[in-house]
Amino acid sequence: GAGVSQSPSNKVTEKGKDVELRCDPISGHTALYWYRQSLGQGLEFLIYFQGNSAPDKSGLPSDRFSAERTGGSVSTLTIQRTQQEDSAVYLCASSPGTSGPGRFFGPGTRLTVL
Amino acid sequence: RKEVEQDPGPFNVPEGATVAFNCTYSNSASQSFFWYRQDCRKEPKLLMSVYSSGNEDGRFTAQLNRASQYISLLIRDSKLSDSATYLCVVNIRAAGNKLTFGGGTRVLVKP
Repeated sequence: GAGVSQSPSNKVTEKGKDVELRCDPISGHTALYWYRQSLGQGLEFLIYFQGNSAPDKSGLPSDRFSAERTGGSVSTLTIQRTQQEDSAVYLCASSPGTSGPGRFFGPGTRLTVL
Repeated sequence: RKEVEQDPGPFNVPEGATVAFNCTYSNSASQSFFWYRQDCRKEPKLLMSVYSSGNEDGRFTAQLNRASQYISLLIRDSKLSDSATYLCVVNIRAAGNKLTFGGGTRVLVKP
């Protein structure tokens, strides 16, 4: 498809387990963002990749969270030792560059930590 | 204080009526402003950018007031399909182009 895709769409895990969330951005988009949205809340910035530059990790809530972007394309967000407060929808977005509004969001991964 | 604040609503709007709501931002270095629309359990989608001179896209009008640090969205002739959460979004280029989202304003258009 032409849009941003994310997998899995839903993930239920037990507290303490590690999870990996995947994002496939739109082909050719150099910028990739991860956000999370808790129930009824706005979007919270997590991390931002732009080309080959060092990622902006300023939004990651703890060192249990990490993300990689391989080959300037696919990104994986990893949450180690999940906690119940990690339950949220994790949204990935990509854009052609760093300026302008053109952030296209994926459908998100709904993470539930039991 | 949140960087971007919105009235969560809901704004209950009769079909065909006009509804308007604001969003305030705290960082005067904010440079770009947008409205996104988010339907229930869906991802946000860009509705429109907000320009200094104000701009219109069909039934939607966006305004920016830098002096008072707020933006507004007005929807004329509301349709049932306008029911959604409207997210105010601010970009501070100096902060690395991270979009900062407001919590959203929920609009319910009723027949």
